[in-house]
Amino acid sequence: NAGVTQTPKFQVLKTGQSMTLQCAQDMNHEYMSWYRQDPGMGLRLIHYSVGAGITDQGEVPNGYNVSRSTTEDFPLRLLSAAPSQTSVYFCASSLYGTNTEAFFGQGTRLTVV
Amino acid sequence: GNSVTQMEGPVTLSEEAFLTINCTYTATGYPSLFWYVQYPGEGLQLLLKATKADDKGSNKGFEATYRKETTSFHLEKGSVQVSDSAVYFCALRNSGGSNYKLTFGKGTLLTVNP
Repeated sequence: NAGVTQTPKFQVLKTGQSMTLQCAQDMNHEYMSWYRQDPGMGLRLIHYSVGAGITDQGEVPNGYNVSRSTTEDFPLRLLSAAPSQTSVYFCASSLYGTNTEAFFGQGTRLTVV
Repeated sequence: GNSVTQMEGPVTLSEEAFLTINCTYTATGYPSLFWYVQYPGEGLQLLLKATKADDKGSNKGFEATYRKETTSFHLEKGSVQVSDSAVYFCALRNSGGSNYKLTFGKGTLLTVNP
């Protein structure tokens, strides 16, 4: 029972490099989202998607792109990494609705030097 | 818009002590309320939830009651264990203009000492 799978678990990037964080879920959830977790800031929403082909911005979208070509996958792209993007990134998925539980991946710890 | 305010940590308790972590929220309409827990090195997982006023969510000895009159959802446990050491997040999920986005508080780090 895989749930939400994120890769990689750890990554070090140089300033200006680009990369993609992968997220896949096997629960047929419509709703997927990306958060970043920083000390003292809690979780902040970067981008989310309510279904294949539909994405929207969250609180802190600048410097990140997403796409949703399938129900299962929701990759997060860093276009040109900056030290301010050093963080722990979490992907989550859920059914679409007010009272549905969100399932989280294990997280990706990204360091930009 | 929606917002969640929870007690700043860290909170340090001895085993078998009583735990309360306060959480209040601001939202329009009728949100659902959640507590998530994050153990070291892991992602968040749902601890409990309540979907309407006066509902009580409970799990693993933890409880929280949805109080619409005070816009609160405080987390309690009568006797904590070392294994409860984690970060606890209060969250809400709302319909309408927020498009069912989850809004989190900043998290409270709990450490339980033997």
